[in-house]
Amino acid sequence: NAGVTQTPKFQVLKTGQSMTLQCAQDMNHEYMSWYRQDPGMGLRLIHYSVGAGITDQGEVPNGYNVSRSTTEDFPLRLLSAAPSQTSVYFCASSYSRHLLTDTQYFGPGTRLTVL
Amino acid sequence: AQSVTQPDIHITVSEGASLELRCNYSYGATPYLFWYVQSPGQGLQLLLKYFSGDTLVQGIKGFEAEFKRSQSSFNLRKPSVHWSDAAEYFCAVAAGNSGYSTLTFGKGTMLLVSP
Repeated sequence: NAGVTQTPKFQVLKTGQSMTLQCAQDMNHEYMSWYRQDPGMGLRLIHYSVGAGITDQGEVPNGYNVSRSTTEDFPLRLLSAAPSQTSVYFCASSYSRHLLTDTQYFGPGTRLTVL
Repeated sequence: AQSVTQPDIHITVSEGASLELRCNYSYGATPYLFWYVQSPGQGLQLLLKYFSGDTLVQGIKGFEAEFKRSQSSFNLRKPSVHWSDAAEYFCAVAAGNSGYSTLTFGKGTMLLVSP
């Protein structure tokens, strides 16, 4: 299987533009999440989902929307991009929300620049 | 709220030398701790995790970590470093309700390996 895939790998936006970062997994994982990684900041949780139709906010949700219509896909939407959203975005998934027993798998990331 | 501190931003180690990366956590309850590695341009990969039992945890790639409750630490070690270990290392703590659904990451330690 392909694991966790993310598209695109790189993206440049202008301030105010909208776009969707795609994330898909083929492991039948219920739990999916989005993180952003900024230099010197580690990874910070944006949104997560414990199953189709269920989403919740993480540490830094402002400016981002998510939905989970299928088990496989968990897109992240930027409605009006801002330079502060320049970052590397990682999608992750695991079989369940119980991270003690279920390993979280990360995608390769999307590098986003907002001018 | 939980937090993780990785005191060292960069560490340089000679190939073949031993390695210790420091991690201190702050969490009111029993912590559930993880170490991840990120190779350049890649997503994160789980090295090891601790949630109960023996305080010395073995992971992949020859890494181990020791949980010390009295020092609120979870340091990562490797007896002999290889050039391929050069990467960024993240310590994380799981927190939340009984599902332990969210991870809080430290800011990372970049490991450089000299010949």
